[in-house]
Amino acid sequence: DVKVTQSSRYLVKRTGEKVFLECVQDMDHENMFWYRQDPGLGLRLIYFSYDVKMKEKGDIPEGYSVSREKKERFSLILESASTNQTSMYLCASSLNTGTSGLKQFFGPGTRLTVL
Amino acid sequence: SQQGEEDPQALSIQEGENATMNCSYKTSINNLQWYRQNSGRGLVHLILIRSNEREKHSGRLRVTLDTSKKSSSLLITASRAADTASYFCATGGYQKVTFGIGTKLQVIP
Repeated sequence: DVKVTQSSRYLVKRTGEKVFLECVQDMDHENMFWYRQDPGLGLRLIYFSYDVKMKEKGDIPEGYSVSREKKERFSLILESASTNQTSMYLCASSLNTGTSGLKQFFGPGTRLTVL
Repeated sequence: SQQGEEDPQALSIQEGENATMNCSYKTSINNLQWYRQNSGRGLVHLILIRSNEREKHSGRLRVTLDTSKKSSSLLITASRAADTASYFCATGGYQKVTFGIGTKLQVIP
């Protein structure tokens, strides 16, 4: 089974801090994604990566950056955390071909609170 | 932007009853997926239906797709307390999938 792990389940940070959220997948998937999930808004795509060192902006990239130095690891960076970035952050991965590639595998999520 | 919108937003039923959730979308699609999310956890893929399919089954799940109405429904038969979760429809391709806001299902034992 594919396993997607995220570095923390819960995280509390202060406004202005630099925050790193890490995601690791163990199935050699090409694609990796970062979403945030807020009540009433569903999942919104922040960034995705389709290969090492490649990244594409999603629907809400402002205030975030990403890094993918190795295929299995995709990091989300909040350069200067703000209270409106308090949210649940979900990482996902998928293949890039075939019907199986349409299916995304999710990590357990990181609930980030910015004070 | 949200492609899929689920209806109802919340649903409460007794164990053993069937639960039906609907999803409407705006633009033409090649496939539609349904995911489940247990409280405070990540999403889990349930089923995918292609645009040339009208109905698909997986265990107690039945998904229908009506491309002329741009809608899909997810039926869970003989519901169990463990089915309590949020259910999301999703459309898109390999690199961009858009999720709906979800239907919160509560199954009362």
